[in-house]
Amino acid sequence: EIVLTQSPGTLSLSPGARATLSCRASQSVTRSFLAWYQQKPGQAPRLLIYFASSRATGIPDRFSGSGSGTDFTLTISRLEPEDFAVYFCHQYGSSPGTFGQGTKVEIK
Amino acid sequence: QLQLQESGPGLVKPSETLSLTCTVSGDSISTSTYYWDWIRQPPGKGLEWIGSVFYSGSTYYNPSLKSRVTISVDTSKNQFSLKLSSVTAADTAVYYCARHEFYYDTRGYPMGCFGSWGQGRLVTVSS
Repeated sequence: EIVLTQSPGTLSLSPGARATLSCRASQSVTRSFLAWYQQKPGQAPRLLIYFASSRATGIPDRFSGSGSGTDFTLTISRLEPEDFAVYFCHQYGSSPGTFGQGTKVEIK
Repeated sequence: QLQLQESGPGLVKPSETLSLTCTVSGDSISTSTYYWDWIRQPPGKGLEWIGSVFYSGSTYYNPSLKSRVTISVDTSKNQFSLKLSSVTAADTAVYYCARHEFYYDTRGYPMGCFGSWGQGRLVTVSS
């Protein structure tokens, strides 16, 4: 199975700052079938990005995804207070689908 | 508006079987577009896909859990269910039901990302 490694584990930033989250796969992700989710405490994950760079319905354009092969990035251009959360990447290119361990974006 | 709601016991004894049901509202489970999934998250940890079911009853399971997992669907009730046998403390987690629009991978597995989730059900395994 494909192992996803996210970095950093924790990102401490101020509101208005730019956040760059990394997700590296142990082997190439088929057809860039890579998604990003946001999870807040006590809530289910919410789909942000699919196919590596397509925003899900209702997701603000400050969220963007990029990458291909084994290296993927989620960028939040200007952090809003509601963006402080944990973010997970997920590859669904080959079975079984797997998730990264998460990056926590916290207020500095 | 699609809603998924997990239900079932919040406490299960070691070696017993964990049973959860997901009730779908706002859409029919008998759609040819989606598979229906179970995903779990141990407290403070990451996410693990457990398995998927199609309305026809076709199932796909994570190989790491396959020997203990059964997922079934009841189209008359618009529900699908999870059974996980021989549980241990390591199975303590929040269990989510979800849905994915599927594409076939190179081995014919129906893959996809999870656009809709239930709120989750914490199941604790303890005597």
